[in-house]
Formats: sequence, C-alpha cells, structure tokens
Amino acid sequence: GQQVQQSPASLVLQEGENAELQCNFSTSLNSMQWFYQRPGGSLVSLFYNPSGTKQSGRLTSTTVIKERRSSLHISSSQTTDSGTYLCAMERSTGYQNFYFGKGTSLTVIP
Amino acid sequence: VTLLEQNPRWRLVPRGQAVNLRCILKNSQYPWMSWYQQDLQKQLQWLFTLRSPGDKEVKSLPGADYLATRVTDTELRLQVANMSQGRTLYCTCSADVWGGAGQDTQYFGPGTRLLVL
Repeated sequence: GQQVQQSPASLVLQEGENAELQCNFSTSLNSMQWFYQRPGGSLVSLFYNPSGTKQSGRLTSTTVIKERRSSLHISSSQTTDSGTYLCAMERSTGYQNFYFGKGTSLTVIP
Repeated sequence: VTLLEQNPRWRLVPRGQAVNLRCILKNSQYPWMSWYQQDLQKQLQWLFTLRSPGDKEVKSLPGADYLATRVTDTELRLQVANMSQGRTLYCTCSADVWGGAGQDTQYFGPGTRLLVL
C-alpha cells in the first residue's frame, strides 16, 4: 500500500487565500521533506523537516513525527504558487528507504 | 546559478535498447548526488545516492533496470536498460546525505525525459 498519503489530491484557490496541505505516513519515519514541482516539471526542495516547525516566506511546514504527519501551510497564495506539492519520508527501518506521496495539485486563480 | 547539468535533456529509446545519462555537478559544496525517477503517472521515486568516485549500484524496478555510477567527484552516470514505459530521470545534489547532520536541502537538475519507441 501507499506509504505516504497526501491530501487533498487537488486544490483550487482564489489568489490571496490560504492553503493547508497534509501528509500522513503509514509507518514510523526518521525524517521527511517537502518538494514543489512547477507545471513545467522542474523540482524544488522546500523543506527538510524531521520535526517541529520551519518557515520560509509564506510557507510553513510542521512535522509531528510521533503522530506520523506533516503539514504545509501556504499563506496569501499567489498564482505563481500553482503546481504540485510533494512530500517524502525516510523510513526508520531499512537503509535509505525513501518514499514519496502522489502529490497535491494546487491551482491559484487570479 | 545552475548547480547541476543533465544530458541529454530528452531521448527516444528504441524498445530493448539501453541509454546512458550524465549529471555534472557544478559546485563541490554539494557532493551527495542522487537519481530519482518520475513515471508517467507523476509518481516520484528515489533510486540511488552515491557519494564517492567508484561507487556503483544496480536496481530493477517495474519498467526499467538501472546501473548508477559515481564516476568522479563531479560526474554521476545512469544507465537505463529494458525500459518499457517512458519516464523522467532527475539528478540531485545536497550538502549531506538525507538524514545526515548536515542535511539542508536537495537541488534538482532539469531532468532527462525518456520516451520509448
């Protein structure tokens, strides 16, 4: 089964609205990361966030390892935020076991 | 500033033929290099992380077989064989291995798109 579940699968926002993206993990994990994929395909690492809260500009990531979940909050969304947001985890068992979710497709309309 | 160069950027691969991909690191501050694949359903999957020249790893996944080689401190290669479905391969670099004390962020190359003839 899918090790990493992301929700929602897709989201449409009016520019200026906030978004909350969720990532849940089915097994215990050592760490996790958030990535952003632009509509053209290029990928960007947003946060390496094994635990706690990290903020970068309008983006805030909060990971609660014990509860096997992480969230990504986007405040005051802009049209340039459109794209796919992916989370990935490193499992706590086995060597270099990394798993990705299927992503949340975000569309911000003006 | 571009940290990674990938070539080719795309390739049509006749069924049954292997293809060789290259990734060139432009900044030695990010020596941990990895390969990821993204399938046609956009599912991303980590393949390999290789740190030292001479490191080699193989992996077989649904739809393709892989051989990764860290050739030098600045060059990572990937041979893709027996590919039955198209995919995109991304090279990344980082200051430390994922989960290492120095883990900061991963930087992605532009990707190589492979299509099966």
